[in-house]
Amino acid sequence: DIQMTQSPSTLSASVGDRVTITCRASQSISTWLAWHQQKPGKAPKLLVYKASNLESGVPSRFSGSGSGTEFTLTISSLQPDDFATYYCQHYNGYSWPFGQGTKVEIK
Amino acid sequence: EVQLVESGGGLVQPGGSLRLSCAASGFPFSSYAMSWVRQAPGKGLEWVSGIGGSGESTFYGDSVKGRFTISRDNSKNTLFLQMDSLRAEDTAVYYCAKGGIPHWGQGTLVTVSS
Repeated sequence: DIQMTQSPSTLSASVGDRVTITCRASQSISTWLAWHQQKPGKAPKLLVYKASNLESGVPSRFSGSGSGTEFTLTISSLQPDDFATYYCQHYNGYSWPFGQGTKVEIK
Repeated sequence: EVQLVESGGGLVQPGGSLRLSCAASGFPFSSYAMSWVRQAPGKGLEWVSGIGGSGESTFYGDSVKGRFTISRDNSKNTLFLQMDSLRAEDTAVYYCAKGGIPHWGQGTLVTVSS
């Protein structure tokens, strides 16, 4: 089974900071990777699909990159609305492994 | 616009059963695999089960294999999850999710407690 590992688990940052979250797959997944944002008590929200494609309506300060086993989600200038937990997900096939999540906190 | 609306959650005793439903709209339902994903209180996301577009292929996570059954009714654009022999550790918010580019429903809470 494919395993997804995110780092860091928690990230403390200030408004305006550039933030990068890393996701590693245990084997090559090409670009079959999505990033989701989740706020407390809410459903996850798709941000990026196919590793680097921004979902419609998602601010351009979010970007995704990578292929194979190494992926990153970058927020170019952190905004107050971005404090949340972020999950990576491999979504090709019927089993959807998730990373353990990265909580972005206010510094 | 993709819309997924879950229902059927609630409080159930250990060993009991519950059936979740997910009403889908805004996309050709039968053309897409669908999944259930859950999130226990304070924990991360866990894939539970998936089903192919025609309903012939089904897949389960190890933690629910033999206890949960996924199915779909393409004539009614509805996904189901039959949950039997429920345990306290099945307590979670259950999300319906669309295959392909993943989209989510709002979730339904299942609480297993005596």
